[in-house]
Parts: sequence; C-alpha cells; structure tokens
Amino acid sequence: DAKTTQPNSMESNEEEPVHLPCNHSTISGTDYIHWYRQLPSQGPEYVIHGLTSNVNNRMASLAIAEDRKSSTLILHRATLRDAAVYYCIPVNAGGTSYGKLTFGQGTILTVHP
Amino acid sequence: NAGVTQTPKFQVLKTGQSMTLQCAQDMNHNSMYWYRQDPGMGLRLIYYSASEGTTDKGEVPNGYNVSRLNKREFSLRLESAAPSQTSVYFCASLRVAEAFFGQGTRLTVV
Repeated sequence: DAKTTQPNSMESNEEEPVHLPCNHSTISGTDYIHWYRQLPSQGPEYVIHGLTSNVNNRMASLAIAEDRKSSTLILHRATLRDAAVYYCIPVNAGGTSYGKLTFGQGTILTVHP
Repeated sequence: NAGVTQTPKFQVLKTGQSMTLQCAQDMNHNSMYWYRQDPGMGLRLIYYSASEGTTDKGEVPNGYNVSRLNKREFSLRLESAAPSQTSVYFCASLRVAEAFFGQGTRLTVV
C-alpha cells in the first residue's frame, strides 16, 4: 500500500487560497489520488481525485506532480466552512489491493475570519 | 436518494455482548467499507468488500466479522464486545473514485 505524508496542520485566512500538500512517493501506476475531508462531527466527504492530469471541480483543484510522487489540493478561496481535516489517499484501481481506501492522519486546516 | 444508511445511530453494549451494525447503500456500488474512528483520531479501516462476494481485512480487523449479504448490504458484527471497541463506526461505499459515507454509529461498550 502506498504511504502518504501530509503536514499535521495548516492555517489560512478567509478568502485566501490554500495549498495542501501530500507526498506519496511509493504510489503505483494504477493508484488514483483521492482527497477527502472531514468536517467536525461528520463523516468524510469526497473532494476530488485524479490519476495523472490536473483536475478541477466546484470544490477545489488538484495539481499532480509529473512524477506522481506528490500532489497539492488547492482551495481557491478558503471559507470558514472549509475548516476540516483533509486526507490524501492513494487508491488502487487494479491488483490485489483493488479498492482499498485507507485514511492516514490528514492535515487539520484552520481558517481564520 | 438515501445514499448510505447505517443502523443504529447510537448503541450502548455491555462487555461481552454481541451486536451487528447494519449498512445499506442504494447506489449500486461495488465496493463497501467499515471504519472506526476513536476520539481525536483518524479513520481506521476494519474490513472492506471490493465487490459482492468478497471481503478483505483492513488495518484493524481483530474482534470483528463482516458479511456482504448482497450488493446493497454490508454488515459488521462484534461477537463479544470489549470497552476498546468504543468508537464511532462509519460505513462507506465507493463508485469509481468517489466514496459516500454514512452518518456513523456511535457505539459505547461499558
């Protein structure tokens, strides 16, 4: 299983962009990179995913390094509601660990008014 | 759209009692998961089922059993509950790349 390294915590001000990094140097060629977040007292929710190319959706952007050993989740304008724990998860799309979704420690994002 | 439904939402057990946590999804997803989350900690994978008819151990399977009853339902059983199993349990299902989570079951073992 690919291992991930994320900062324990980050802080941002409201309305500013936030770049959340993730190192996944042992990722395999068939692993997608997923990002989830967990708001206080709630279950996790999907944010975005990608394989090789950068991705955008209504919530965020995902920038994937060319060698796929790292990625960055970008929140373009942080709001107070974005305060959460953010998880970067490689998910195997083939082979014996197909579909295994394992959460690491994640990054606690604090957003200041 | 119900999504992922977990029952019960709250449960108190005595040490040694058994119970089954139920999870059902109505999205025709192949993969389903059970996690536990202790206070102030991240989610830990207990068991998962990549497809109907298959189950695999996750990070912390000891003390638990699972059944993938059909494509919709994935249950988690505690045969003899212990205080160390006090936690919030989340069920999830996965479509391609997006996982959907239930609201959680808060279990206390006394």
